[in-house]
Amino acid sequence: HLVQSGAEVKKPGASVKISCEASGYTFSKYFIHWVRQAPGQGLEWMGRVDPGNGNTYYAPKVQDRLTMARDTSTSTVYMELSSLRSEDTAIYFCLVLTQGYWGQGTLVTVSA
Amino acid sequence: EIVLTQSPGTLSLSPGERATLSCRASQSVSSSYLAWYQQKPGQTPRLLIYGASTRATGIPDRFSGSGSGTDFTLTISRLEPEDFAVYYCLQYDTPSTFGPGTKVDIK
Repeated sequence: HLVQSGAEVKKPGASVKISCEASGYTFSKYFIHWVRQAPGQGLEWMGRVDPGNGNTYYAPKVQDRLTMARDTSTSTVYMELSSLRSEDTAIYFCLVLTQGYWGQGTLVTVSA
Repeated sequence: EIVLTQSPGTLSLSPGERATLSCRASQSVSSSYLAWYQQKPGQTPRLLIYGASTRATGIPDRFSGSGSGTDFTLTISRLEPEDFAVYYCLQYDTPSTFGPGTKVDIK
């Protein structure tokens, strides 16, 4: 149901943009959330986008660096994280919370 | 922002035993917007429960969720070998937050 773009390697200070293409259900019906998991750590909720109207809500910790958007023509949502730091190294997931749909995850590595 | 606390941090049990996992919120969770996930090493988390007590599609009935307000519980009635994993609670009243997880390991 959700397919994400591939792994990324970025330098500190750069930005990364990850895509998440939805299929098999009505795109506008459910919020799409983004979650990340640093190596050996727990899950961290980052934010969500309403595919129906594009409204977003971001976690306070990352709200100054995070942008989410959607493209209804391709049923795709995007997550862009800027001013990357080493602690942003993680697997990033898109998901539909109450339906149990998860993307396969995108590994983002931030390293000089 | 609602902070979730999960206890215990680790639960050591044998197959066939009952597991009781707790998730406590720093303030009331609206409309029981509480979910439980299971994660095994190297795998994507799997939705078990949403709305505090509704099992997701395909989840065996040995998994049950209960609670409201600030106190929620995930119960596994009889542990199967495949149930040994890390369990996270998530409150999805915006902004959403995860608990730190409970690891259920084999005694």
